[in-house]
Amino acid sequence: AQTVTQSQPEMSVQEAETVTLSCTYDTSESDYYLFWYKQPPSRQMILVIRQEAYKQQNATENRFSVNFQKAAKSFSLKISDSQLGDAAMYFCAYRSAGGEYGNKLVFGAGTILRVKS
Amino acid sequence: KAGVTQTPRYLIKTRGQQVTLSCSPISGHRSVSWYQQTPGQGLQFLFEYFSETQRNKGNFPGRFSGRQFSNSRSEMNVSTLELGDSALYLCASSLSRPTYEQYFGPGTRLTVT
Repeated sequence: AQTVTQSQPEMSVQEAETVTLSCTYDTSESDYYLFWYKQPPSRQMILVIRQEAYKQQNATENRFSVNFQKAAKSFSLKISDSQLGDAAMYFCAYRSAGGEYGNKLVFGAGTILRVKS
Repeated sequence: KAGVTQTPRYLIKTRGQQVTLSCSPISGHRSVSWYQQTPGQGLQFLFEYFSETQRNKGNFPGRFSGRQFSNSRSEMNVSTLELGDSALYLCASSLSRPTYEQYFGPGTRLTVT
Protein backbone atom coordinates (compact mmCIF):
# COMPACT_ATOMS: atom_id res chain seq x y z
CA ALA A 1 0.00 0.00 0.00
CA GLN A 2 1.12 3.50 -0.71
CA THR A 3 1.73 6.00 2.08
CA VAL A 4 2.36 9.73 2.10
CA THR A 5 4.16 11.52 4.92
CA GLN A 6 4.19 15.21 5.67
CA SER A 7 6.53 15.76 8.60
CA GLN A 8 5.76 19.44 9.18
CA PRO A 9 2.44 19.93 10.98
CA GLU A 10 2.81 23.72 10.82
CA MET A 11 4.96 26.21 8.97
CA SER A 12 5.13 30.00 9.07
CA VAL A 13 6.42 32.40 6.45
CA GLN A 14 6.70 36.15 6.20
CA GLU A 15 4.78 37.78 3.41
CA ALA A 16 6.85 38.04 0.19
CA GLU A 17 9.30 35.39 1.35
CA THR A 18 9.76 31.78 0.22
CA VAL A 19 8.71 28.66 2.05
CA THR A 20 9.15 24.96 1.28
CA LEU A 21 6.75 22.25 2.42
CA SER A 22 8.07 18.71 2.60
CA CYS A 23 6.48 15.46 1.48
CA THR A 24 7.79 11.93 1.20
CA TYR A 25 5.95 8.90 -0.07
CA ASP A 26 6.35 5.19 -0.25
CA THR A 27 5.35 3.07 -3.21
CA SER A 28 6.55 0.09 -5.18
CA GLU A 29 5.03 1.45 -8.36
CA SER A 30 7.02 3.18 -11.07
CA ASP A 31 4.19 5.14 -12.65
CA TYR A 32 2.06 7.46 -10.56
CA TYR A 33 1.00 11.04 -10.03
CA LEU A 34 1.75 13.40 -7.17
CA PHE A 35 -0.26 16.43 -6.18
CA TRP A 36 -0.30 19.34 -3.81
CA TYR A 37 -3.76 20.44 -2.73
CA LYS A 38 -4.64 23.57 -0.80
CA GLN A 39 -7.53 23.72 1.65
CA PRO A 40 -8.23 27.26 2.87
CA PRO A 41 -10.28 27.82 6.00
CA SER A 42 -13.45 27.86 3.84
CA ARG A 43 -12.76 24.13 3.23
CA GLN A 44 -12.91 23.97 -0.57
CA MET A 45 -9.96 21.85 -1.61
CA ILE A 46 -8.21 23.06 -4.76
CA LEU A 47 -5.35 21.63 -6.78
CA VAL A 48 -2.13 23.64 -6.59
CA ILE A 49 0.22 21.61 -8.73
CA ARG A 50 0.60 18.16 -10.27
CA GLN A 51 3.63 16.06 -11.17
CA GLU A 52 3.71 12.97 -13.35
CA ALA A 53 6.30 10.49 -12.13
CA TYR A 54 7.57 9.73 -15.63
CA LYS A 55 8.50 13.37 -16.16
CA GLN A 56 11.91 14.37 -14.89
CA GLN A 57 11.19 18.06 -15.18
CA ASN A 58 9.80 19.63 -12.04
CA ALA A 59 6.33 21.12 -12.39
CA THR A 60 5.82 24.87 -11.99
CA GLU A 61 2.66 26.92 -11.67
CA ASN A 62 3.33 30.64 -11.27
CA ARG A 63 4.71 31.10 -7.72
CA PHE A 64 4.42 27.39 -6.94
CA SER A 65 7.06 24.87 -7.91
CA VAL A 66 8.02 21.38 -6.82
CA ASN A 67 11.24 19.55 -6.23
CA PHE A 68 10.54 15.98 -7.33
CA GLN A 69 13.19 13.45 -6.39
CA LYS A 70 11.91 10.09 -7.61
CA ALA A 71 14.72 7.95 -6.28
CA ALA A 72 14.42 9.54 -2.85
CA LYS A 73 10.60 9.46 -3.06
CA SER A 74 10.47 13.09 -2.12
CA PHE A 75 8.08 15.76 -3.42
CA SER A 76 8.43 19.19 -1.84
CA LEU A 77 6.45 22.32 -2.65
CA LYS A 78 8.10 25.71 -2.86
CA ILE A 79 5.98 28.83 -2.60
CA SER A 80 7.75 31.98 -3.70
CA ASP A 81 6.70 35.55 -2.88
CA SER A 82 4.24 34.28 -0.28
CA GLN A 83 0.93 36.10 -0.05
CA LEU A 84 -1.68 36.30 2.71
CA GLY A 85 -4.02 34.29 0.51
CA ASP A 86 -1.58 31.37 0.60
CA ALA A 87 -2.48 30.69 4.22
CA ALA A 88 -4.17 27.29 4.27
CA MET A 89 -3.72 23.61 4.96
CA TYR A 90 -1.62 21.98 2.27
CA PHE A 91 -1.95 18.32 1.46
CA CYS A 92 0.43 16.18 -0.50
CA ALA A 93 -1.35 13.37 -2.35
CA TYR A 94 -0.46 10.28 -4.38
CA ARG A 95 -2.43 8.60 -7.12
CA SER A 96 -1.51 5.41 -8.88
CA ALA A 97 -1.45 5.45 -12.66
CA GLY A 98 -2.73 1.89 -12.72
CA GLY A 99 -6.34 1.56 -13.80
CA GLU A 100 -7.21 -0.78 -10.96
CA TYR A 101 -7.00 2.06 -8.43
CA GLY A 102 -9.18 4.45 -10.39
CA ASN A 103 -8.98 7.96 -9.03
CA LYS A 104 -8.16 7.06 -5.44
CA LEU A 105 -5.98 9.67 -3.76
CA VAL A 106 -3.77 8.85 -0.79
CA PHE A 107 -3.22 11.96 1.30
CA GLY A 108 -0.58 13.02 3.77
CA ALA A 109 -1.59 14.46 7.14
CA GLY A 110 -1.29 18.03 5.91
CA THR A 111 0.78 21.09 6.77
CA ILE A 112 -0.81 24.26 8.08
CA LEU A 113 0.84 27.26 6.47
CA ARG A 114 0.59 30.60 8.26
CA VAL A 115 1.57 33.78 6.46
CA LYS A 116 2.64 36.77 8.54
CA SER A 117 2.19 40.31 7.33
CA LYS B 1 -19.21 25.59 -15.49
CA ALA B 2 -20.82 24.92 -12.13
CA GLY B 3 -18.56 23.27 -9.57
CA VAL B 4 -19.14 20.21 -7.45
CA THR B 5 -22.06 20.68 -5.11
CA GLN B 6 -22.78 18.81 -1.91
CA THR B 7 -25.94 18.79 0.13
CA PRO B 8 -26.60 19.34 2.89
CA ARG B 9 -23.66 21.44 4.02
CA TYR B 10 -24.24 20.78 7.70
CA LEU B 11 -26.00 17.95 9.46
CA ILE B 12 -26.52 16.93 13.08
CA LYS B 13 -27.61 13.38 13.81
CA THR B 14 -27.96 11.15 16.84
CA ARG B 15 -26.09 7.92 17.44
CA GLY B 16 -27.85 4.99 15.85
CA GLN B 17 -29.53 7.02 13.13
CA GLN B 18 -28.66 6.84 9.47
CA VAL B 19 -27.75 9.64 7.10
CA THR B 20 -27.60 10.21 3.36
CA LEU B 21 -25.29 12.75 1.77
CA SER B 22 -25.52 13.90 -1.81
CA CYS B 23 -22.94 14.99 -4.35
CA SER B 24 -23.54 16.49 -7.78
CA PRO B 25 -20.42 16.37 -9.97
CA ILE B 26 -19.32 18.82 -12.58
CA SER B 27 -21.25 18.35 -15.80
CA GLY B 28 -19.56 15.69 -17.93
CA HIS B 29 -17.67 14.11 -15.06
CA ARG B 30 -18.50 10.45 -14.61
CA SER B 31 -16.23 9.65 -11.69
CA VAL B 32 -17.21 10.59 -8.14
CA SER B 33 -15.02 9.81 -5.14
CA TRP B 34 -15.83 10.26 -1.47
CA TYR B 35 -13.41 11.09 1.34
CA GLN B 36 -13.78 11.39 5.09
CA GLN B 37 -11.78 14.13 6.81
CA THR B 38 -11.24 14.09 10.57
CA PRO B 39 -8.63 15.78 12.76
CA GLY B 40 -7.35 12.43 13.98
CA GLN B 41 -7.30 10.32 10.81
CA GLY B 42 -6.90 13.04 8.20
CA LEU B 43 -8.29 12.48 4.73
CA GLN B 44 -9.29 8.93 4.00
CA PHE B 45 -10.70 7.47 0.82
CA LEU B 46 -14.15 5.94 1.17
CA PHE B 47 -15.08 4.82 -2.35
CA GLU B 48 -15.25 5.81 -5.98
CA TYR B 49 -18.09 5.42 -8.43
CA PHE B 50 -17.77 5.47 -12.17
CA SER B 51 -20.66 4.95 -14.56
CA GLU B 52 -22.91 3.80 -11.71
CA THR B 53 -20.42 1.12 -10.61
CA GLN B 54 -18.24 1.13 -7.54
CA ARG B 55 -14.71 1.09 -8.91
CA ASN B 56 -12.73 1.17 -5.72
CA LYS B 57 -13.38 1.02 -2.00
CA GLY B 58 -11.44 2.16 1.03
CA ASN B 59 -11.07 0.46 4.36
CA PHE B 60 -14.35 1.42 6.00
CA PRO B 61 -17.00 -0.79 7.63
CA GLY B 62 -20.04 -1.91 5.70
CA ARG B 63 -22.12 0.79 7.42
CA PHE B 64 -20.71 3.12 4.78
CA SER B 65 -22.23 2.64 1.38
CA GLY B 66 -22.81 4.62 -1.74
CA ARG B 67 -24.36 4.65 -5.13
CA GLN B 68 -24.29 6.60 -8.33
CA PHE B 69 -27.15 7.47 -10.58
CA SER B 70 -27.31 7.60 -14.36
CA ASN B 71 -26.79 11.39 -14.29
CA SER B 72 -23.55 10.79 -12.31
CA ARG B 73 -24.94 12.25 -9.10
CA SER B 74 -23.81 10.23 -6.14
CA GLU B 75 -25.07 9.56 -2.65
CA MET B 76 -23.36 8.05 0.31
CA ASN B 77 -25.17 6.52 3.23
CA VAL B 78 -23.99 5.83 6.74
CA SER B 79 -26.17 3.56 8.84
CA THR B 80 -26.15 3.12 12.61
CA LEU B 81 -24.17 6.28 13.18
CA GLU B 82 -21.40 6.33 15.75
CA LEU B 83 -19.79 9.32 17.44
CA GLY B 84 -16.62 8.60 15.48
CA ASP B 85 -18.44 9.20 12.21
CA SER B 86 -18.43 12.92 12.95
CA ALA B 87 -16.38 14.36 10.13
CA LEU B 88 -16.26 16.49 7.04
CA TYR B 89 -17.28 14.37 4.07
CA LEU B 90 -15.83 15.51 0.79
CA CYS B 91 -16.71 14.39 -2.66
CA ALA B 92 -14.60 14.89 -5.74
CA SER B 93 -15.47 14.52 -9.39
CA SER B 94 -13.30 14.02 -12.42
CA LEU B 95 -13.12 12.64 -15.88
CA SER B 96 -12.32 8.99 -15.91
CA ARG B 97 -8.64 8.80 -16.65
CA PRO B 98 -6.01 9.20 -13.91
CA THR B 99 -4.41 12.05 -15.85
CA TYR B 100 -7.31 14.28 -15.08
CA GLU B 101 -7.70 16.57 -12.10
CA GLN B 102 -10.19 15.87 -9.34
CA TYR B 103 -12.42 18.75 -8.33
CA PHE B 104 -13.63 18.82 -4.77
CA GLY B 105 -16.92 20.00 -3.36
CA PRO B 106 -17.24 22.16 -0.24
CA GLY B 107 -18.06 19.15 1.91
CA THR B 108 -20.81 18.12 4.31
CA ARG B 109 -20.04 18.62 7.98
CA LEU B 110 -21.67 15.74 9.88
CA THR B 111 -21.92 15.91 13.64
CA VAL B 112 -23.09 12.83 15.54
CA THR B 113 -24.30 13.42 19.11
